[in-house]
Amino acid sequence: AQSVAQPEDQVNVAEGNPLTVKCTYSVSGNPYLFWYVQYPNRGLQFLLKYITGDNLVKGSYGFEAEFNKSQTSFHLKKPSALVSDSALYFCAVRDGNTGFQKLVFGTGTRLLVSP
Amino acid sequence: EAGVAQSPRYKIIEKRQSVAFWCNPISGHATLYWYQQILGQGPKLLIQFQNNGVVDDSQLPKDRFSAERLKGVDSTLKIQPAKLEDSAVYLCASSLDWGNSDTQYFGPGTRLTVL
Repeated sequence: AQSVAQPEDQVNVAEGNPLTVKCTYSVSGNPYLFWYVQYPNRGLQFLLKYITGDNLVKGSYGFEAEFNKSQTSFHLKKPSALVSDSALYFCAVRDGNTGFQKLVFGTGTRLLVSP
Repeated sequence: EAGVAQSPRYKIIEKRQSVAFWCNPISGHATLYWYQQILGQGPKLLIQFQNNGVVDDSQLPKDRFSAERLKGVDSTLKIQPAKLEDSAVYLCASSLDWGNSDTQYFGPGTRLTVL
């Protein structure tokens, strides 16, 4: 069965600095990887996904993520953090094997960007 | 384009009472999902519909939870009777198709508190 690990409960970064939110995964087939962001009292908003192709994926709000097959990682990055980026971030994985596969989420990483 | 709509946004009930949640997916989306998000955890899939048929309900506690998607559009999720451990946010999501690479778009969620 597929699984996701987000090793950091919280990441703190100063505004203007680069940020990284870590994610590692485990699947039996090819991974389909997703990042979502959740603001207080709101649902999850889609940021980006990796299905195939270029290992560097660009998404919404200036975020990008790098797929690393050898390290089974899909870290979320942004070159310059904004205070408004403060939120809860979820990594999710779906097995690319044929047939229905569940989307499995990590436990989330809270990002705090200080002014 | 309108997003996924859910109601109510908040619900407080006592244990052993019943409750129902409603979801209207993005227009034209064939696949609808219900997730349960317990505080401090990532969302967990409860049930997936493809049009009005159930694709997977393996994690739905069928002794107390039920869901339907009549006419392949709106969906309702019911809990009867509720337990304290059902306190969570219930998220509805939809995707255009049912492929494992399809992006799921989430509604704002219903926060259920069981007293």
